[in-house]
Amino acid sequence: DVQMTQSPSNLAASPGESVSINCKASKSISKYLAWYQQKPGKANKLLIYSGSTLQSGTPSRFSGSGSGTDFTLTIRNLEPEDFGLYYCQQHNEYPPLTFGSGTKLEIK
Amino acid sequence: EVQLVESGGGLVQPGSPLKLSCAASGFTFSSNWLNWIRQAPGKGLEWVASINPDGSSTYYPDTVKGRFVVSKDNAKNTGYLQMNNLRSEDTAMYYCARTGANWDLDYWGQGVMVTVSS
Repeated sequence: DVQMTQSPSNLAASPGESVSINCKASKSISKYLAWYQQKPGKANKLLIYSGSTLQSGTPSRFSGSGSGTDFTLTIRNLEPEDFGLYYCQQHNEYPPLTFGSGTKLEIK
Repeated sequence: EVQLVESGGGLVQPGSPLKLSCAASGFTFSSNWLNWIRQAPGKGLEWVASINPDGSSTYYPDTVKGRFVVSKDNAKNTGYLQMNNLRSEDTAMYYCARTGANWDLDYWGQGVMVTVSS
């Protein structure tokens, strides 16, 4: 099974800043990496799939890059509603579904 | 609008069974894989079960294989997770999620809490 290593575990930033979250697969997953946002009391939201394709409704300040084993989620010009938890997930092999360990993005 | 709504959670004793439901609406339920993912308090997301569109194939990680059974009733637009011989380590929020066209999880429910404790 593919193992996903996500970093950092925690991140603090101010509105207007840019941040990046990394995800590394234990073997090549081609471009098939998804990013999700988790916020209390809300359903988890798919932000990006296939490494860089924005899901309908995802703001353009979100971007994804990478292929093979190394991927990055970048959020530019942070908005207050962007703070929360972020998870990566490989969707190259299915099942099993494997997730990164998560990144908590907090307001500085 | 696509919606997934979980129900059936609660507090149970170790060794007890519990059955979760996932009511789907806003899409053709019989066309999609359905998945269950859980999250222990303060922990990350863990895949629990998947079922193909017609319900003929099911998949589980070793942590729940032999104890959990996933099913779906396409006539009722509802998925199920039968959990048997529950353990304290099964305590978690349980989410159902739809597999999207790109094999991602494009819609999730808000989750239902399962607590296993004596």
